[in-house]
Amino acid sequence: GQQVMQIPQYQHVQEGEDFTTYCNSSTTLSNIQWYKQRPGGHPVFLIQLVKSGEVKKQKRLTFQFGEAKKNSSLHITATQTTDVGTYFCAGLRFGNEKLTFGTGTRLTIIP
Amino acid sequence: EPEVTQTPSHQVTQMGQEVILRCVPISNHLYFYWYRQILGQKVEFLVSFYNNEISEKSEIFDDQFSVERPDGSNFTLKIRSTKLEDSAMYFCASTVLTGQESQYFGPGTRLLVL
Repeated sequence: GQQVMQIPQYQHVQEGEDFTTYCNSSTTLSNIQWYKQRPGGHPVFLIQLVKSGEVKKQKRLTFQFGEAKKNSSLHITATQTTDVGTYFCAGLRFGNEKLTFGTGTRLTIIP
Repeated sequence: EPEVTQTPSHQVTQMGQEVILRCVPISNHLYFYWYRQILGQKVEFLVSFYNNEISEKSEIFDDQFSVERPDGSNFTLKIRSTKLEDSAMYFCASTVLTGQESQYFGPGTRLLVL
């Protein structure tokens, strides 16, 4: 079945440093979504990428969808304590409603 | 801003008992989902529901599980005979139109099977 892996599993950064998480799917995706889950919270939608090679920015967050539509990345510039949480990518395959979540990257910030 | 709500927030049950988890999706949404998240692990898709029927389900969603939309607002997940390994956080989610839209998650129900 489809698998979506993320690396790293954990990331500890000093406040102000950058952070990147990488997402890889075993199959080609129709689109990829990114969610953030705060400790003890529920997944909150961040963004959706649809086009091959697409890059989208939200303030300090930059999202990229690979040319082959099998991988994606999330980059946070100058992390803040509010960025703490687990970041999940989630992929949708063509003609499929099953959103397959990645393994997640848990970000902790050292003040 | 409209939200997905879920009840109860926590449920403790004995192994073998039936549980019903309830969700109220956002009112104009048409697609509904259940996910589960075992503590410390990733979010896993269970089932999607559209037009009063299951549109897709995962391998996890076996005969122990069922979903229902008993009225115009509630969306329920029933686990007939709970097992220890059913202990997890269960999230309901909904989307506006197609299955390709961003999903809005509820706060979850933490189920503990003893």
